[in-house]
Amino acid sequence: EIVLTQSPGTLSLSPGERATLSCWASQSVSNNYLAWYQQKPGQAPRLLIYGASNRATDIPDRFSGSGSGTDFTLTIGRLEPEDFALYYCHQYDTSPQTFGQGTKVEIK
Amino acid sequence: QLQLHESGPGLVKPSETLSLTCTVSGGSINRSNYYWAWIRQPPGKGLEWIGTIFYTGTTYYNPSLKSRVTISVDTSKNQFSLKLSSVTAADTTIYYCARHAGHGWYYFDYWGQGTLVTVSS
Repeated sequence: EIVLTQSPGTLSLSPGERATLSCWASQSVSNNYLAWYQQKPGQAPRLLIYGASNRATDIPDRFSGSGSGTDFTLTIGRLEPEDFALYYCHQYDTSPQTFGQGTKVEIK
Repeated sequence: QLQLHESGPGLVKPSETLSLTCTVSGGSINRSNYYWAWIRQPPGKGLEWIGTIFYTGTTYYNPSLKSRVTISVDTSKNQFSLKLSSVTAADTTIYYCARHAGHGWYYFDYWGQGTLVTVSS
């Protein structure tokens, strides 16, 4: 099983700042089969990024993904008020599919 | 617009079987060649993939739950279902149904709103 470790656990930033979230895999994720989701309280996760760097439909371009192998990053260029939420990475390369434990982006 | 909606009892007694159904609207399960999944999330915690089914009935389960999980599909009702046996308090979580994107066993592009199931006597 691929274990995904997200860092930091909590990121305290102000609107307009840049957010950098990391996701490390315990073994290489082939084909860049790595996705990112945003989750707000009481809501289901929302797909942001798939294939490590492809934005999902209707996702603003301030969200970008990068990385390969075991090291992946989600960057939010300039934080908008609606971006303060939980973020999860997800590998769909090998079974069982697994998720990171999440990074909370909170208002400083 | 595709929509998924979970339904089922919100309270299950320990040692009993949890049963949930996901109803898909805005698209047909058996004409789309998509895979459909169950995922769960303990309140305030991370996400865990439970299992996946194709409209033909082929299933894939998380080894950590495989001995207790059954996922089935009813194409006539455009639904797929989850059964989890011998539940304990550790199975108290929010359960989501979701669709794998891209006609394969890929990431999840559509999710239901989730349903909280509490295991308690």
